[in-house]
Amino acid sequence: QQPVQSPQAVILREGEDAVINCSSSKALYSVHWYRQKHGEAPVFLMILLKGGEQKGHEKISASFNEKKQQSSLYLTASQLSYSGTYFCGTGGSNFGNEKLTFGTGTRLTIIP
Amino acid sequence: DTGVSQDPRHKITKRGQNVTFRCDPISEHNRLYWYRQTLGQGPEFLTYFQNEAQLEKSRLLSDRFSAERPKGSFSTLEIQRTEQGDSAMYLCASSFRNEQFFGPGTRLTVL
Repeated sequence: QQPVQSPQAVILREGEDAVINCSSSKALYSVHWYRQKHGEAPVFLMILLKGGEQKGHEKISASFNEKKQQSSLYLTASQLSYSGTYFCGTGGSNFGNEKLTFGTGTRLTIIP
Repeated sequence: DTGVSQDPRHKITKRGQNVTFRCDPISEHNRLYWYRQTLGQGPEFLTYFQNEAQLEKSRLLSDRFSAERPKGSFSTLEIQRTEQGDSAMYLCASSFRNEQFFGPGTRLTVL
């Protein structure tokens, strides 16, 4: 079953923070986050594996709560280049390296 | 360039024709995935390979669809007797460990 993302869309001013949530009804072993700009392929951001870890680089970080079957992506001090649609992809086995079920997507628009 | 490449980038065909797409993964990536994406939706899994073995196929993949990875390197996805509902972006991704990296996709339009 497809993970549910919230919000569906958000508009921010440059420099503001955003949180995107991904929730699944199935047990999760991995969560993969991607950003996709219109007409382009999804670009890998980060992966979180079972273990409740939090990862991040620069101003983008993410958390994974396997008990709640949820993950959140945090964007701080957003830049114009952050605009796009964000997808979470969930892996349902402990191999981690198999098919992903992608969420409903969150459209993020950053305005100057 | 060492990223995933796909060919062609765009394909326009008439209903009933056969089409074939190619994907070249990142070298040394043993896993290769095919996804399909329609406007406003996330990618949907179609099938994946570990080396030359096709390990899983989605129920979305009707018998008109076939995929191969004969030598464990590049892969082809063929759609026979195309239908208008096949119009979509076909994405290929490859991985070595856990991260999947996507190619630019092939946009198929069936008239």
